Amino acid sequence: DIQMTQSPPSLSASVGDRVTITCRASQGIGEYLAWFQQKPGKAPKSLIYDVSSLQSGVPSKFSGSGSGTDFTLTISSLQPEDFATYYCQQYNSYPYTFGQGTKLEI
Amino acid sequence: EVQLVQSGAEIKKPGESLRISCKGSGYSFASYWISWVRQMPGKGLEWMGRIDPSDSYTNDSPSFQGRVSISADKSINTVYLQWSSLRASDTAMYYCARLRDNGYVIDFWGQGTLVAVSS
Repeated sequence: DIQMTQSPPSLSASVGDRVTITCRASQGIGEYLAWFQQKPGKAPKSLIYDVSSLQSGVPSKFSGSGSGTDFTLTISSLQPEDFATYYCQQYNSYPYTFGQGTKLEI
Repeated sequence: EVQLVQSGAEIKKPGESLRISCKGSGYSFASYWISWVRQMPGKGLEWMGRIDPSDSYTNDSPSFQGRVSISADKSINTVYLQWSSLRASDTAMYYCARLRDNGYVIDFWGQGTLVAVSS
């Protein structure tokens, strides 16, 4: 299985900040990478697919980049509703695997 | 509006069997694969497997093969996740999710079903 490693595991930031979360794959996955947001007690929400394409209804403050093994999720102008846990996921090779998550805290 | 509505929370004893469900609406159900994702208490997301409701073809994750089975009834727009003998370690939240792009990309999620297994 492809291992997905996110860094940092947790991140403290303030309202208005711009933050970047990194996801590294144990082998190349092309551009088959997605990002999800999960708030406490809630189902995950799909944010980005194919590295940088926004799911319908997702604001442009979320952006993704990268290719091969190294990827980033950037969130600009943080708002209180953005504080959550973020997961990356590869879908290049089955079984599809998730990163361990990055908790974004105020 | 696309919706995936999952069955309610379950409290079971070790060794018991269980089937939970995920009902899709607001789209052509048979045209999209459905996946199941596990989240153990306080932990991350784990891919369990996926099914094509049009023909019930499944891809299981090796980590879950033999432990669970995934099935579908396209006549009622429903996918199932089933255990024949639960263990305490099956205690988790289980999410179904719709896959677009021929079974690759998760776009919509169900609300989750909590399964608690305890003697």
